[in-house]
Amino acid sequence: GAVVSQHPSRVICKSGTSVKIECRSLDFQATTMFWYRQFPKQSLMLMATSNEGSKATYEQGVEKDKFLINHASLTLSTLTVTSAHPEDSSFYICSASGKIGSPLHFGNGTRLTVT
Amino acid sequence: GQNIDQPTEMTATEGAIVQINCTYQTSGFNGLFWYQQHAGEAPTFLSYNVLDGLEEKGRFSSFLSRSKGYSYLLLKELQMKDSASYLCAVRDPLPAGNNRKLIWGLGTSLAVNP
Repeated sequence: GAVVSQHPSRVICKSGTSVKIECRSLDFQATTMFWYRQFPKQSLMLMATSNEGSKATYEQGVEKDKFLINHASLTLSTLTVTSAHPEDSSFYICSASGKIGSPLHFGNGTRLTVT
Repeated sequence: GQNIDQPTEMTATEGAIVQINCTYQTSGFNGLFWYQQHAGEAPTFLSYNVLDGLEEKGRFSSFLSRSKGYSYLLLKELQMKDSASYLCAVRDPLPAGNNRKLIWGLGTSLAVNP
């Protein structure tokens, strides 16, 4: 149980374009999902907390207008990287948990390369 | 403030036992997690401790002492595939409900040698 699916696993886009990443909880409902970013050989960095039916909560230093988050249902959250630049190239990972107190489970991540 | 400390790197031999320590200083406590992350992959859940004591799950065990702000992950019968980064994380007590995010350590990179 507690499977989180993330798509796409890998994407290459041109500078200035937008990329949408989907995160789905397959066998549980997730009122909250978390979006992380990880640069090579660095630790996980929380970008934002996605709440179903309400606005996401962004961490300090993360531009909400650049990283658009939509949590339209209890099983789907999307992260859109708008006007992507090469410095946005990173490993983006979503996570979610089911009932309160249960562990976070991660999607397989999306490796974004902006050329 | 919130802080989690764990060693940066460890090395061990195949077949041996290794203990990865984690200490935390947080304003509250709602559970401690261990995750494994192989290079280029997302973290996978290993263990969860909310009460003091040892939780055993196959070759992996995790221990918690809330009074000492201390946990360890014990890996037995090490295999080459156990070479990975091991992340300690504590659940932030605020805000209430399932919106509690995890506070992450920087991870311990474990190299298992033949």
